Amino acid sequence: DQQVKQNSPSLSVQEGRISILNCDYTNSMFDYFLWYKKYPAEGPTFLISISSIKDKNEDGRFTVFLNKSAKHLSLHIVPSQPGDSAVYFCAASAVGGTYKYIFGTGTRLKVLA
Amino acid sequence: GAVVSQHPSRVICKSGTSVKIECRSLDFQATTMFWYRQFPKQSLMLMATSNEGSKATYEQGVEKDKFLINHASLTLSTLTVTSAHPEDSSFYICSARSQGEDTQYFGPGTRLTVL
Repeated sequence: DQQVKQNSPSLSVQEGRISILNCDYTNSMFDYFLWYKKYPAEGPTFLISISSIKDKNEDGRFTVFLNKSAKHLSLHIVPSQPGDSAVYFCAASAVGGTYKYIFGTGTRLKVLA
Repeated sequence: GAVVSQHPSRVICKSGTSVKIECRSLDFQATTMFWYRQFPKQSLMLMATSNEGSKATYEQGVEKDKFLINHASLTLSTLTVTSAHPEDSSFYICSARSQGEDTQYFGPGTRLTVL
């Protein structure tokens, strides 16, 4: 049972345009969400997070949107840069639990120069 | 800040031997550390959660006698793969969080290849 899903395994975007990565979850107990970027054979790098009391969080070129009613979050990267090419994972956790994360399956982003 | 290191970065061993992987938080005290494994082109799967000074909590389907986890200090956790077999070959990643923080910070991972 995949509680966190990223339905697009890959995405290609032109440099300078917006990249939108999507993530859906099924567990209504999740209340903290994160996005990580990962290169092959490396550990994930934290990008941005959002708690369920917010619907938007912005950090530089990265913005995360949360739609609780739809159990959907998205990561917007604008403008996209070639160095953003990587695999992006969303993760979710439930407060009051063990702080463990459930990861999505990842979306490979390729930013074309 | 929030740097997590892992050692070794890659290891090749013979079937039947044991391998120890270290995970260290370099600039913060990690009250909780997590161990994940990742198969090629798949997501990160949580193996276990360890709190400093207590026994690890293993996820369903993870053999605790095969994957020994020790979290003896606030900056070090170890994962020992005992009697390794080729099917244990994988990318093992640790993460750590400090008390009061929700965010986990990940190590660079360890590539284990069992021949």
